[in-house]
Amino acid sequence: DIQMTQSPSVLSASVGDRVTLNCKASQNINKYLNWYQQKLGEAPKLLIYNTNNLQTGIPSRFSGSGSGTDFTLTISSLQPEDFATYFCFQHNSWPTFGSGTKLEIK
Amino acid sequence: EVQLVESGGGLVQPGSPLKLSCAASGFTFSSNWLNWIRQAPGKGLEWVASINPDGSSTYYPDTVKGRFVVSKDNAKNTGYLQMNNLRSEDTAMYYCARGNFDYWGQGVMVTVSS
Repeated sequence: DIQMTQSPSVLSASVGDRVTLNCKASQNINKYLNWYQQKLGEAPKLLIYNTNNLQTGIPSRFSGSGSGTDFTLTISSLQPEDFATYFCFQHNSWPTFGSGTKLEIK
Repeated sequence: EVQLVESGGGLVQPGSPLKLSCAASGFTFSSNWLNWIRQAPGKGLEWVASINPDGSSTYYPDTVKGRFVVSKDNAKNTGYLQMNNLRSEDTAMYYCARGNFDYWGQGVMVTVSS
């Protein structure tokens, strides 16, 4: 199985900050990497699919990049509603998720 | 609007079976894969089953293979997850998600405890 490692596990930031979340795959997953946002008690919501494609309805402050084994999610200017947990997910082979980055208010 | 609504969760004893349903609307269910994902309390996400559009092929990780069976009824726009011989470690919120994992249901809780 492909292991997905996210860093950091917790990120403290302030409204207006630019933040970058990282996700590393244990082997090449090509472009098949999604990013999800999950708030407490809610289902995960797709933000970015296939590395850098913004899901419909997601604000443009979210962006994704990377290739192969190293991927990033960037939020250009944090808004209050962005404080949540973020998961990466690979679907190049048997699907696996990262363990998440909790984005908390500094 | 794409919607997925899970049902059928609850509290069961170890070794018991349970069947979850996933009612779909707002898209062509028969043309899409269906996936099930679970999340244990306070933990990360784990894929547990996938089925292809016509239901002829199914896929599972080793953690549930031989105990869980995924199916779909395209005439009813509904997917199912039959869970057998449940264990305490199967306790989790279970989500169904459309083929590309783009839309997810709100989830249903399954608790396995004596």
